[in-house]
Amino acid sequence: GAVVSQHPSRVICKSGTSVKIECRSLDFQATTMFWYRQFPKKSLMLMATSNEGSKATYEQGVEKDKFLINHASLTLSTLTVTSAHPEDSSFYICSARDQGAPSSNYGYTFGSGTRLTVV
Amino acid sequence: SQQGEEDPQALSIQEGENATMNCSYKTSINNLQWYRQNSGRGLVHLILIRSNEREKHSGRLRVTLDTSKKSSSLLITASRAADTASYFCATDANDMRFGAGTRLTVKP
Repeated sequence: GAVVSQHPSRVICKSGTSVKIECRSLDFQATTMFWYRQFPKKSLMLMATSNEGSKATYEQGVEKDKFLINHASLTLSTLTVTSAHPEDSSFYICSARDQGAPSSNYGYTFGSGTRLTVV
Repeated sequence: SQQGEEDPQALSIQEGENATMNCSYKTSINNLQWYRQNSGRGLVHLILIRSNEREKHSGRLRVTLDTSKKSSSLLITASRAADTASYFCATDANDMRFGAGTRLTVKP
């Protein structure tokens, strides 16, 4: 089945530094990828939709200069948390949509998540 | 949540009992999916129900969908301690948005 690799699984960084999270579709092409953020004991909040070769679409309230998204190829999207602060500490999860799957079928595959801790 | 509410927010039952979780959403959808998440872990896809379906079964899981009411329910029968997790509904309307989730605790 479709597999999405998300790396790293855990990262601890100092306040003020930037952190890059990678999301790769291993066996399918993903024109569209999604980035989510999850606070403890809360649900997943869609942050942005990443489209290959074009600018990401950010949800209301998500700072695009803070959370830089690059989707340079059909198998890779990256999320960079710039100038990280402790309040950015969270669980980040990516999802890739398998363009080969019919739109009415299940075509979303999720990465295993990245736990970011900013100290 | 970004796509409506789930209730209850937390549910505690004894092993062997059934657990029912409800989800409401706001927009038209292609399909609705249920996911499970153990604490601090990734998502596990449980079941998908299409917008033209009303009920679907998978093992001990039963999902219903009422598009007129924009609601869905997930029933887990004969629950086990290993079912303890958070359960989320997610709607597919060309992107995937999650409900608030239900934290299920199954006591042995």
